[in-house]
This record gives sequence, C-alpha cells and structure tokens, in this order.
Amino acid sequence: DTAVSQTPKYLVTQMGNDKSIKCEQNLGHDTMYWYKQDSKKFLKIMFSYNNKELIINETVPNRFSPKSPDKAHLNLHINSLELGDSAVYFCASSQGGVTNEKLFFGSGTQLSVL
Amino acid sequence: AQSVTQLDSHVSVSEGTPVLLRCNYSSSYSPSLFWYVQHPNKGLQLLLKYTSAATLVKGINGFEAEFKKSETSFHLTKPSAHMSDAAEYFCVVSDQAGTALIFGKGTTLSVSS
Repeated sequence: DTAVSQTPKYLVTQMGNDKSIKCEQNLGHDTMYWYKQDSKKFLKIMFSYNNKELIINETVPNRFSPKSPDKAHLNLHINSLELGDSAVYFCASSQGGVTNEKLFFGSGTQLSVL
Repeated sequence: AQSVTQLDSHVSVSEGTPVLLRCNYSSSYSPSLFWYVQHPNKGLQLLLKYTSAATLVKGINGFEAEFKKSETSFHLTKPSAHMSDAAEYFCVVSDQAGTALIFGKGTTLSVSS
C-alpha cells in the first residue's frame, strides 16, 4: 500500500482557474507538509500542519491554502492559478517534527498552468 | 539563517567508480542534516540522516556521509557506483524550529557503463 498518495499525478489547467490537489497518508503520522519543486528541481516548503498548528512559509501567496479534513489528509487548494504556479507539488508526512524523523513523500503532482 | 549549498549541479561517474557529492551547510545551531534521493518521476526517499550522534552516518544502498563541523560539510559518498544510483540527490538541513526541511538545489548523478 502506498504510504503517502497524491492525486492527481498530472494536472493541466488554464490561468485563473481554481484547483485542488489531494493528499492522504496511511502511516498514522501527526504532521503533513506541502513542498513545491520548481523547474530547476529546487524544493521549498510551503506548509507544515499537524492537528495543533499550521505553519505557513511567508513567501507562499495567499492564493494557496491547505485544508485538512482529518489527520490523514492535507489537501492543497489553489485559487486564481498563475503561470508561475507551474511546478511539481509534493506532499509529505512525518511522525512529529522533522528534526529527528524521516519524511515520507508522495510521488508528486505535476501542475501545468497554460 | 540556515542553508545548504550543493557544490556540484551535475556529477558524472562510471559504473564501479566512487561517488562523491559535496554539500556545505550554514547554521547558527547544531543542525540535523539529511540526504534525500529522487529517482525520475518518483517522490523523494531518505538516504541517511545526521542528528548529533556518530559523525559518520551510514545510509541505504551503500551510501554514507560524514559530518565535519570544522568544515561545515556533509558530503555523500559511495565506494562503487551502480547504474541504479543515477538520480537527483538533495542535501537537506532542518530549520531551527524543527518544523521544516530546507533543501539544497540538488545534484544530478549520472552513471555510465
């Protein structure tokens, strides 16, 4: 069974649309994350979230919002998509914080904004 | 602020020869350091991590890394490269709060037969 699964794997959409990427983990982890990987393979944290606290990278536009219906899910909603949002988005999870814990990553969602 | 610098964007080796992927870090505290690998069209996988225990860390698939505080380095090595090692490798440091990982820009490892 896949530990961290994201859907869809590929997403192609027009500028201005609103879209969501779903993420589910079946590891019982407390903390989930969203990372963005740009065309140069650079990975940057967007959000980390557990059932107590949402930590937002201040450079992330407020068009991006994480939504967590329960501990096993952290979806990423994006409003008014822009060309620059094209990237690969990775969901991840860990038990507790990242310092001593292994992160488990999903296989990524490649978003293309036309 | 903490950061990592991967000194080579691309490393090419022949199968059976040693691998060296270089990483320097900058941190005002004792960091946790990691190496992650990303195979094509796959998610990231943890290779190894350093969390202030032994300075020589052994990971999966024969990789290891040595934490050198005096040089602020955490280079990744493997004695003998396999074709399956071809991938993107990321050196990573945790932020001080322990809430996020900060990734280097990655090193693409190519292995030729």
